[in-house]
Amino acid sequence: NAGVTQTPKFQVLKTGQSMTLQCAQDMNHEYMSWYRQDPGMGLRLIHYSVGAGITDQGEVPNGYNVSRSTTEDFPLRLLSAAPSQTSVYFCASNRGYNYGYTFGSGTRLTVV
Amino acid sequence: DAKTTQPPSMDCAEGRAANLPCNHSTISGNEYVYWYRQIHSQGPQYIIHGLKNNETNEMASLIITEDRKSSTLILPHATLRDTAVYYCIVRPSGGSNYKLTFGKGTLLTVNP
Repeated sequence: NAGVTQTPKFQVLKTGQSMTLQCAQDMNHEYMSWYRQDPGMGLRLIHYSVGAGITDQGEVPNGYNVSRSTTEDFPLRLLSAAPSQTSVYFCASNRGYNYGYTFGSGTRLTVV
Repeated sequence: DAKTTQPPSMDCAEGRAANLPCNHSTISGNEYVYWYRQIHSQGPQYIIHGLKNNETNEMASLIITEDRKSSTLILPHATLRDTAVYYCIVRPSGGSNYKLTFGKGTLLTVNP
């Protein structure tokens, strides 16, 4: 049982490049979400999913796309990277309302 | 969503109990109180949650006041590894129950 696995752990992009941050969980959790964390700030919700085929926007969705084709995977796509997207990205999953979220170890992204 | 108020920082001596307060005076009747912590550079870790009764698990105890307007997370025997930012979160009810709203939390420093 690996929990929530995020890859890569570190990434440097040039402005305008695109990439996909991977997130996979092996706990059969229905709920998955992506957060970003900037220095000195709390985590902010980017996108979330309540099950395969269902996604919706969080509070800071601009510049990011998601899809959920399987229960296990929830990739986050940066369409055209900008320096403002330099951040630490965390993926999380949850079994249901009355349970805590399990977070991945994060992807540290730098856009130059 | 109910807002929470936490002190920005606290200190605790190793081996002593750490008592972290949280004020959530606008909490509604079906909203849970969750506690997470984030050790430097790692993903947040779920600690405990409760509705109105006191709760205890292998990590901590949660004491919720009878009026539910505040709570206290207790780490009974703090160790250096408990140094982290602790977040008190009120979990929204209804259709937005996927979302965790992170504030700035309390930086707990456990001193030798």
